[in-house]
Amino acid sequence: ETGVTQTPRHLVMGMTNKKSLKCEQHLGHNAMYWYKQSAKKPLELMFVYNFKEQTENNSVPSRFSPECPNSSHLFLHLHTLQPEDSALYLCASSQDLVGSNQPQHFGDGTRLSIL
Amino acid sequence: GDSVTQMEGPVTLSEEAFLTINCTYTATGYPSLFWYVQYPGEGLQLLLKATKADDKGSNKGFEATYRKETTSFHLEKGSVQVSDSAVYFCALSEKGAQKLVFGQGTRLTINP
Repeated sequence: ETGVTQTPRHLVMGMTNKKSLKCEQHLGHNAMYWYKQSAKKPLELMFVYNFKEQTENNSVPSRFSPECPNSSHLFLHLHTLQPEDSALYLCASSQDLVGSNQPQHFGDGTRLSIL
Repeated sequence: GDSVTQMEGPVTLSEEAFLTINCTYTATGYPSLFWYVQYPGEGLQLLLKATKADDKGSNKGFEATYRKETTSFHLEKGSVQVSDSAVYFCALSEKGAQKLVFGQGTRLTINP
């Protein structure tokens, strides 16, 4: 139990569907992150939130839309995805931004498959 | 920009063998260095870290020493177990940065 919970664990959707991924952390952390993990590629940082404010968007296509209503919850809204978006999406949190040497705590991820 | 390079996997060893997974980095400043581990079906977990040159991080029998002169942070374990089978990621963060820079990961399989 890492203190970071992601739902759903698995998601299959068509390219025209709209769905959302949810992340919740019970650690009292201030920073939250979305990563994409594809086979045979390094982890790709997508978004960073600090105190509910987005501080980084790593050139992510607009078909991915993050939302952070409070420091404990982070969503990733998905619409009109492409087959190459199939991947494991990982959420992480840290006490403060990672540059202060704070470790990141990861959820178990959502395995997304686009048909 | 900053980057992390790990040895190519997969790595397959027998139980009780000695393990080394090489990691070298490129950074503009003096980063903190991390090893994360990802067990099957799970997210990443911090394994160990070192925040300055010559620091040694250790956990669960794993060790890594921050070598500034060779820009390396190699992961070692004296006697691996089947339960160590996982993917291992080396990563760095610069002071004041907002993100970790990860290596590509090294898949380790330990056979009984």
